[in-house]
Amino acid sequence: EVQLLESGGGLVQPGGSLRLSCAASGFTVDNYGMTWVRQAPGKGLEWVSGISGSGGTYYADSVKGRFTISRDNSKNTLYLQMNSLRAEDTAVYYCAKPNESSGYVRRPIDHWGQGTLVTVSS
Amino acid sequence: IVLTQSPGTLSLSPGERATLSCRASQSVTSNYLAWYQQKPGQAPRLLIYGASTRATGIPDRFSGSGSGTDFTLTISRLEPEDFAMYYCQQYGSSPPLTFGGGTKVEIK
Repeated sequence: EVQLLESGGGLVQPGGSLRLSCAASGFTVDNYGMTWVRQAPGKGLEWVSGISGSGGTYYADSVKGRFTISRDNSKNTLYLQMNSLRAEDTAVYYCAKPNESSGYVRRPIDHWGQGTLVTVSS
Repeated sequence: IVLTQSPGTLSLSPGERATLSCRASQSVTSNYLAWYQQKPGQAPRLLIYGASTRATGIPDRFSGSGSGTDFTLTISRLEPEDFAMYYCQQYGSSPPLTFGGGTKVEIK
């Protein structure tokens, strides 16, 4: 059974940093194009970042230069390092897996984690 | 690519037909368009991909259609559990991939 378990969210001051983790089970993360999607309170979904099976990384313009996606194949875990956090980064962050093991990020998402809340506030 | 969903809110009764629209600012490559359902406090669920292919376990009252820049999600007969938010997403262009702003289907 596929499971995605996020952790690392919390309250951080503007300008601070957090690292989110997503522990995967039931599949191997480096076979898939994994993504992070966020949802601000009461708002819609926003694609944040993706990492392909070959290790290529992609970012939304709103986080480029501040966020870094990575994975540890030995731990089967996806990460999102978030630096220079802003109030507008406040959201639930979801780790997401696509529906096929092509390794491409450009695929529909069929498994989501439960989400982890990041609150940026002083 | 910018995705615009309409209407913002759809007020219908159980048993009625729901028609949700998703319009793209430019043509979606290979009709790589997905629809998701999201209920309060839950993660989204994949309903449709490739514009018209139902995901595993999705009831056949959900159907997707369209191509190019205009796409539609139809729920033929609304069940009580179908009242939720619905989002479209394009995954045909290079990242960043984009979501529409969502349509809320509420009980009339």
